[in-house]
Parts: sequence; C-alpha cells; structure tokens
Amino acid sequence: AQSVAQPEDQVNVAEGNPLTVKCTYSVSGNPYLFWYVQYPNRGLQFLLKYITGDNLVKGSYGFEAEFNKSQTSFHLKKPSALVSDSALYFCAVRTKLGFQKLVFGTGTRLLVSP
Amino acid sequence: GAVVSQHPSWVICKSGTSVKIECRSLDFQATTMFWYRQFPKQSLMLMATSNEGSKATYEQGVEKDKFLINHASLTLSTLTVTSAHPEDSSFYICSASVLMGDQPQHFGDGTRLSIL
Repeated sequence: AQSVAQPEDQVNVAEGNPLTVKCTYSVSGNPYLFWYVQYPNRGLQFLLKYITGDNLVKGSYGFEAEFNKSQTSFHLKKPSALVSDSALYFCAVRTKLGFQKLVFGTGTRLLVSP
Repeated sequence: GAVVSQHPSWVICKSGTSVKIECRSLDFQATTMFWYRQFPKQSLMLMATSNEGSKATYEQGVEKDKFLINHASLTLSTLTVTSAHPEDSSFYICSASVLMGDQPQHFGDGTRLSIL
C-alpha cells in the first residue's frame, strides 16, 4: 500500500535561514510526488512535483525538493525562509496504478520567526 | 491557470438541514474531482472520487447516502451533506484534475461547515 510519512509535526526556523521539511514515501512502482501548502482556512496550493528526470525539482515561491530514490525521500527545501512561508505543508504521492488518487502525509507546520 | 472555485466558503445551519457545496474548475475541464474532509490539525481524508457522468467512488467508511456527490459536467461537482448533524461539522475541500497521471490536483479554498 502507498504511504507517506512526514516525521515532524512542526519545524521552527528563523527568517533568512534555510529550511527543510522532511517526507518519505512507500509505494510499489514509480512514484509521482507532490508538495502542497495550506494557509489557515484555505485549500491546498500546489508547490511542486516530481515525475521523472532531475532529482532536484524547483517549484513556486522559491521552494525546491530533492528526490532520493535510495532513501525513498522527497524533502522540501528553501535556501532562505520568509515569515510568510509559515503554513502547513503536505507531501503526497501518487502512482500510475493508483491513477489520480493522492495519498497525503500528516502535514508539517512550518513556523518562521522574524 | 488551473483555478478551482468552491462555494460557499462558510456555512452555519441547524441540525437536520441539507447543505450543498459546489466545486467548479474555472479555466480547465476536470475529468475527475475529489472531495476531502479535514479535521482540525489533521491531514486530508479522501471521501470520494467523482468522474464526470458516472457515479462517485466512495472511500471505505464514508456513507454515500449521507454525502451525495454529483458530477454533472466537466467543470462542476457538488457535495450534498444530507440531514446534517453536529458531527458532520468539518472543513470540506474539493480538488479537480485532468485525465493525465502526472498532473497535480488543484484545490478549492474549502468550505467550513458548522452544524448547530
């Protein structure tokens, strides 16, 4: 069965510092991996995806993620955090066999302090 | 591009009322729409997958007679919570996608449903 783990409930980082939000996955077959961000009382906004190709994927708002097949990880990163990046981040996985259905992680709250 | 509009954003109603939530893809045709429920400080729980012109596929444990889903066109899906009770209070989110495996789902802004 497909699963996604986000081991950290919350990540705290100071503004201007690099941030990493961790995600590991378990699927049979090749994964399609996604990161979404959710602001309070809002739906999810798509940040980036990994389908194939370069392991480093660049997305919206300066975010990037690195796909590591051997470690089955897809960590979200940003070189310099902003206070406005504070939000809830979800990692999700989809396989071809699962068609379009997404399996979400439990979410990680990112808190960027001034 | 890829905007999904969800309406209403907030509903407060009495127990026993039926509530309809609309999900529209504004600038693309969505072959598939999804309905999620999110509890406070928790992840999204998929309720059902809806394909245009066919019956929705409900996840295990979701009452299909309680949560009626209609996907009448490629741009509109509706979720009706029938005879709502306080335990149905939650944040409901829809998403829409096109029929290609590597395309992301695009989400609406959610509906906060409060049943008194």
